[in-house]
Amino acid sequence: SAVISQKPSRDICQRGTSLTIQCQVDSQVTMMFWYRQQPGQSLTLIATANQGSEATYESGFVIDKFPISRPNLTFSTLTVSNMSPEDSSIYLCSVMGQKNTEAFFGQGTRLTVV
Amino acid sequence: GNSVTQMEGPVTLSEEAFLTINCTYTATGYPSLFWYVQYPGEGLQLLLKATKADDKGSNKGFEATYRKETTSFHLEKGSVQVSDSAVYFCALMNYGGATNKLIFGTGTLLAVQP
Repeated sequence: SAVISQKPSRDICQRGTSLTIQCQVDSQVTMMFWYRQQPGQSLTLIATANQGSEATYESGFVIDKFPISRPNLTFSTLTVSNMSPEDSSIYLCSVMGQKNTEAFFGQGTRLTVV
Repeated sequence: GNSVTQMEGPVTLSEEAFLTINCTYTATGYPSLFWYVQYPGEGLQLLLKATKADDKGSNKGFEATYRKETTSFHLEKGSVQVSDSAVYFCALMNYGGATNKLIFGTGTLLAVQP
């Protein structure tokens, strides 16, 4: 299994500001994903982070609001831009294992926007 | 399209009781099925998985059998402990195309009382 480190683990931010979340994996992985988990809800896929090209966003999510970088096979960032209280959620980084048959998750970033 | 329907919670049990959390799915082709667990304040951990019909996934006393005829993957445990209190997510993954995406159910909160 892959070991995934996410930073920060939590943050409280003012509305209108932006927060960048980092995801570091202990091995090279092909696929990295970003999910959002709103309070009391299930996980929703935001985008697939593609190494060397633009991320692939799911319906309802756009690059201007959630820009993603993936400079190499072990690291990715998600930025939550121009935040509002509705962005208060847990954001989780996920990677596929070596055989691409199962997904592993970071501990998540608990974001509160005030 | 692909979807997962999960038993609504919360489920409250006494210690050593028998646990069943129902999960049914809709999918094209032959997806893999997963149960993830999220302990309070933590990210998701893979609990068990099954990759083809009649496979049984098992881990930490939990079991689930991939039933293609009923499109189900119910989670069971014979004797729950207080430490099993968590949110349990059923998920499926269909392979192929550019990416392999996880589709999650809504999650079931399990509370085990001593």
